[in-house]
Amino acid sequence: QKEVEQNSGPLSVPEGAIASLNCTYSDRGSQSFFWYRQYSGKSPELIMSIYSNGDKEDGRFTAQLNKASQYVSLLIRDSQPSDSATYLCAVGGYSSASKIIFGSGTRLSIRP
Amino acid sequence: SQTIHQWPATLVQPVGSPLSLECTVEGTSNPNLYWYRQAAGRGLQLLFYSVGIGQISSEVPQNLSASRPQDRQFILSSKKLLLSDSGFYLCAWTWTENSGFGSGTRLTVV
Repeated sequence: QKEVEQNSGPLSVPEGAIASLNCTYSDRGSQSFFWYRQYSGKSPELIMSIYSNGDKEDGRFTAQLNKASQYVSLLIRDSQPSDSATYLCAVGGYSSASKIIFGSGTRLSIRP
Repeated sequence: SQTIHQWPATLVQPVGSPLSLECTVEGTSNPNLYWYRQAAGRGLQLLFYSVGIGQISSEVPQNLSASRPQDRQFILSSKKLLLSDSGFYLCAWTWTENSGFGSGTRLTVV
């Protein structure tokens, strides 16, 4: 059983629209959640992290966490062609000494 | 600010040869350190993680090993490479809400 699940996509969104990326996890004790963006052939880069239930906004990005339903999502407003990439969800455990497990990623394509 | 250095960027090694990949982190103390492997078009597979010097947790039984001789240094090794060891190897660090990846090592075993 996978611990972190993401729809592999590709998810195609028109330029200027909102892209919605979802992630579910199996470990109810998970406490830290990360979204990364990875361009083809490059290493992932951190977009944002979230620890508490609710929304966290950073520029055009909003992370949403619902621990009761065990899902975390990422919204990208005003999508740009440069947002086309694979988005990785990562989940950490109950303490800072826990491992970080990644989902397999969702490929996002922004069409002009 | 924190930075992570990983080298080499690319590596071509024959089957049966040894391997040593290294990464170092600057700008933070006592980070959690990770080694991941990514096959082409696939997700990140956690290989090892470390919460402190000499503390290594192995996630996948295989011919790879890891060591953390210093707080901010993490090394991935193999005594004899297999063809299946080819892939994109990534070192990462986390501490609380902060995180980062090295630029990766593309390993081809021939």
